[in-house]
Amino acid sequence: NAGVMQNPRHLVRRRGQEARLRCSPMKGHSHVYWYRQLPEEGLKFMVYLQKENIIDESGMPKERFSAEFPKEGPSILRIQQVVRGDSAAYFCASSEQGMETQYFGPGTRLLVL
Amino acid sequence: QQQVKQSPQSLIVQKGGISIINCAYENTAFDYFPWYQQFPGKGPALLIAIRPDVSEKKEGRFTISFNKSAKQFSLHIMDSQPGDSATYFCAASMIPGGKLIFGQGTELSVKP
Repeated sequence: NAGVMQNPRHLVRRRGQEARLRCSPMKGHSHVYWYRQLPEEGLKFMVYLQKENIIDESGMPKERFSAEFPKEGPSILRIQQVVRGDSAAYFCASSEQGMETQYFGPGTRLLVL
Repeated sequence: QQQVKQSPQSLIVQKGGISIINCAYENTAFDYFPWYQQFPGKGPALLIAIRPDVSEKKEGRFTISFNKSAKQFSLHIMDSQPGDSATYFCAASMIPGGKLIFGQGTELSVKP
């Protein structure tokens, strides 16, 4: 059983470029969560999605950040016009319908130069 | 109201000792409290979790103690081993399907 998969594992972008982070949930999981971990800090919730629906985006910055979880394919977290402050580890977690346990992927470490 | 406060920030324990990490919350609507373990460069892994209708839960060397009236919960690691050296995060959420609110993390170092 494959766990939550994220790619790329490491991503380097220059200021102003776009970053696309992908997350494939565990088999049978229809809920996806994105969290951000800044250096030396804890994890902060960003967005919660089900297939084709954004359920809770209360942790998403108002500008430049967007997320989707299409009917087919992985969930995508998109950061437009990246700035140095976006450098962080971005983690995706997934869960089954109606279950509280969230399983985390290995993360994507974004570095903005 | 949405915060979870975790202490200590770092902890050094001798091999075989007991590691204790504490968390406190404000929002009484939280009803699910997991603990995650994270090694450097890895994603958080669920260690153990508790619901507020239970005061204690034990899985192997790991125990959660929960005090609903004080709005506090703690993780105890018995017979701590060097392999337990990692960062530990407490969290809270409103189930089902709620976002996790994480504490700030505790970096545990177990000395041989």
